[in-house]
Amino acid sequence: KAGVTQTPRYLIKTRGQQVTLSCSPISGHRSVSWYQQTPGQGLQFLFEYFSETQRNKGNFPGRFSGRQFSNSRSEMNVSTLELGDSALYLCASSLTGHNEQFFGPGTRLTVL
Amino acid sequence: LAKTTQPISMDSYEGQEVNITCSHNNIATNDYITWYQQFPSQGPRFIIQGYKTKVTNEVASLFIPADRKSSTLSLPRVSLSDTAVYYCLVGTGDNQGGKLIFGQGTELSVKP
Repeated sequence: KAGVTQTPRYLIKTRGQQVTLSCSPISGHRSVSWYQQTPGQGLQFLFEYFSETQRNKGNFPGRFSGRQFSNSRSEMNVSTLELGDSALYLCASSLTGHNEQFFGPGTRLTVL
Repeated sequence: LAKTTQPISMDSYEGQEVNITCSHNNIATNDYITWYQQFPSQGPRFIIQGYKTKVTNEVASLFIPADRKSSTLSLPRVSLSDTAVYYCLVGTGDNQGGKLIFGQGTELSVKP
């Protein structure tokens, strides 16, 4: 069974731009969660989608948004990028969200 | 979710048994204890989960005392490839869905 895939793997943007990251969960998994990892703040939960609905949300500003499609694939968008948004963005999938989460390799975003 | 406290770093040598202890004084009755492992530039990987007493799988053991205010992840006969960050998480999936709260983790360094 294929694992969680994330595209792109690396991305360089400039301040003020917006970016969209994509996550394809393991087949059959309906829950997709997003996390931001930085050296200073560690791993922080962004939000979770289940059956195309946002079910949980972390403490991030409204510039961070996401969505989930009917095939469970998910995207997250960051608008008006700031230097501090430079991070590794991780996506994780699970069957229902109440089980073990399987993480993708992440997207490394650099904001210049 | 219950807050966890772990040592920031630990050193070990190949072939030794490593025990990483996590404190979670405010653990709730329906909380589970879960450990994840993360290698640099990769997403975390589920290692083991338990509720009480002892759980063992092919890679690790998890010891949980009766009061459940702490837990110990035991890695038998570590190798260089076990060098990673280990996260202890406490919470229930029942009302949190796909939301994992990571602490600072323990950076384990295995030396030859």
